[in-house]
Amino acid sequence: GNSVTQMEGPVTLSEEAFLTINCTYTATGYPSLFWYVQYPGEGLQLLLKATKADDKGSNKGFEATYRKETTSFHLEKGSVQVSDSAVYFCALSAPNTGNQFYFGTGTSLTVIP
Amino acid sequence: DTGVSQDPRHKITKRGQNVTFRCDPISEHNRLYWYRQTLGQGPEFLTYFQNEAQLEKSRLLSDRFSAERPKGSFSTLEIQRTEQGDSAMYLCASSLGQGEYQETQYFGPGTRLLVL
Repeated sequence: GNSVTQMEGPVTLSEEAFLTINCTYTATGYPSLFWYVQYPGEGLQLLLKATKADDKGSNKGFEATYRKETTSFHLEKGSVQVSDSAVYFCALSAPNTGNQFYFGTGTSLTVIP
Repeated sequence: DTGVSQDPRHKITKRGQNVTFRCDPISEHNRLYWYRQTLGQGPEFLTYFQNEAQLEKSRLLSDRFSAERPKGSFSTLEIQRTEQGDSAMYLCASSLGQGEYQETQYFGPGTRLLVL
């Protein structure tokens, strides 16, 4: 079946620290992989995506590389800001599954000044 | 692009009552999805429409749940005889489906349901 496993939070970092949020997946076929972010009081927003192996998605200083050999899509940012405080969700979409997304449980990030 | 909108944003109801939620997708999007999110969890898929056709339903969608998209634009999700376990955030998403699964889904702000 299809599933996503995300590292548990909450994660608390100081401003300008390096961020890694781990995400691994199980999927039938070759999925597309996504990171969504949910800021306090707001809906889910797409942060970045990758649709095939070795693709790197990037946006707002965040990056994630689609690693087929390790079935991973870890989210990284070199220097976090207070405004990055949010909940981050890893998700996949797989062929022949009706286009539904499979989400991880989310990782809460708090960045302190 | 006004984004996906949902109404109401919050709903409090008593157990046993019926509730209906509305979702307006991004205007040119032909695919619409409903998800449910409980506290501390990621969204879980409920159902999916392509235009007006409901193509997929999760086993999470019990007989008390029904969704429609009568003209291929807005959608409604109705829960009959609500139970306390139905308390959750109900999310709607839409996408411009072109036969691929790599497409991005755009999410609305959600409707938070509390069943007393």
